[in-house]
Amino acid sequence: SQKIEQNSEALNIQEGKTATLTCNYTNYSPAYLQWYRQDPGRGPVFLLLIRENEKEKRKERLKVTFDTTLKQSLFHITASQPADSATYLCAIMEYGNKLVFGAGTILRVKS
Amino acid sequence: EAGVAQSPRYKIIEKRQSVAFWCNPISGHATLYWYQQILGQGPKLLIQFQNNGVVDDSQLPKDRFSAERLKGVDSTLKIQPAKLEDSAVYLCASSLAGTTREQYFGPGTRLTVT
Repeated sequence: SQKIEQNSEALNIQEGKTATLTCNYTNYSPAYLQWYRQDPGRGPVFLLLIRENEKEKRKERLKVTFDTTLKQSLFHITASQPADSATYLCAIMEYGNKLVFGAGTILRVKS
Repeated sequence: EAGVAQSPRYKIIEKRQSVAFWCNPISGHATLYWYQQILGQGPKLLIQFQNNGVVDDSQLPKDRFSAERLKGVDSTLKIQPAKLEDSAVYLCASSLAGTTREQYFGPGTRLTVT
């Protein structure tokens, strides 16, 4: 069966450190993968998109990697801040198909 | 630019009652999505519209859920009759045409069925 797995346990890190979130998938052939941020009581907010033929994408303090051999994407936030605390969702789209979301990982950055 | 608007923000109903949610997408966005997000899970697509035509409704429980997007702008999602397991946040999102476009989400409607 198809699965998207993200760390079910919250990630707690100290301010200033790099946060690394994992998204593993099974039985998908992604055309591309997206990362979203979701704060409590709000809808998800788009952060980054990476295509199947791209290895890495950066935007300010954010970096996403995509390894189709390992079937994994890593999402990094460098120099993390308490304001980065949120739930981070990865989502996969196959060609001609809908976007499918993982359950998300809660990130808590402590000052 | 105004974001995706949804109403109501909260709704409490009893099982077997009906409920309707409204969504106004970002101006110019041809594609509109309705998602269901159960606590602790990611959003699950219920239905996707391209203008006023349905692109994907494979996960919409059609015996109780219906949605329409008249004139290719606003959309309504209805549940009739509601079940306890329908308690969730219902998110509306929109995007420009094209499958690789990022989606812009509204704040959602939190539905509680008692």
